[in-house]
Amino acid sequence: AQRVTQPEKLLSVFKGAPVELKCNYSYSGSPELFWYVQYSRQRLQLLLRHISRESIKGFTADLNKGETSFHLKKPFAQEEDSAMYYCALTPITGGGNKLTFGTGTQLKVEL
Amino acid sequence: EPEVTQTPSHQVTQMGQEVILRCVPISNHLYFYWYRQILGQKVEFLVSFYNNEISEKSEIFDDQFSVERPDGSNFTLKIRSTKLEDSAMYFCASRETGGGQGSDTQYFGPGTRLTVL
Repeated sequence: AQRVTQPEKLLSVFKGAPVELKCNYSYSGSPELFWYVQYSRQRLQLLLRHISRESIKGFTADLNKGETSFHLKKPFAQEEDSAMYYCALTPITGGGNKLTFGTGTQLKVEL
Repeated sequence: EPEVTQTPSHQVTQMGQEVILRCVPISNHLYFYWYRQILGQKVEFLVSFYNNEISEKSEIFDDQFSVERPDGSNFTLKIRSTKLEDSAMYFCASRETGGGQGSDTQYFGPGTRLTVL
C-alpha cells in the first residue's frame, strides 16, 4: 500500500525565513514523488517532481530513500508562497499511475 | 496554455438523485482521472481511465459510480444515487502518456463542489 504523511497542517513563517515542508512516504516499490501547490481559489498545480531535480520558484526537494522523505525547502519565504502544499506519490512502473496524496500543509508567510 | 475544464463549478442535489459531473481533459491527453476531496480531508483517488476503459479504481468507486467518455472531448463521472457522504470537491485530471516507466504530469481541473442535501 502507498501512503504519504505530511505531519504539519499549518506552517507559519515570516517573510525571508527558511521554509521546510515535511513529507514522508511509505511504498514497497520505486515511487515517483511530487509536490503540488494550490493557491487560494486556484486549481492544484504541479510545483516539482523528484525525477526532474529542478528548482521551481526557489523551491527544491530531494528524495531521501533511506529516510523515505521528500521534504520541500526554500531558503527565503516570500509572501506569494502562501498556499496549500500537497506531497504526492505514484509508482514509477505499471498501472494507471494514480496519485496518492498527503493531507497537505497550509503555508502562511507573514510580513 | 491548454487546461482541464470542469462543469459545473458547484452542484447542489438532493440525496438519492443522480448527478453527472463533466470534465474536458486536455486534447492530446490519453489518461484521465477522477479524485475527490471531502472538506478537511486529503485528495483521494477514485478512478483512472485509459483507452475507453477503467484501468484502476479505488474501493470508494463502488457500483454507484461510473465513468464515461461519451465523445472525443468529454469525460464524465456519474453518481447514480447520491448520499450525504458524497458531498466533496471532485477533481478531474488528465495526463499525456499511456503509462510505462516514469509518469508524466497529471493536470488538474478546478474542481466541482458537490453538495448533497
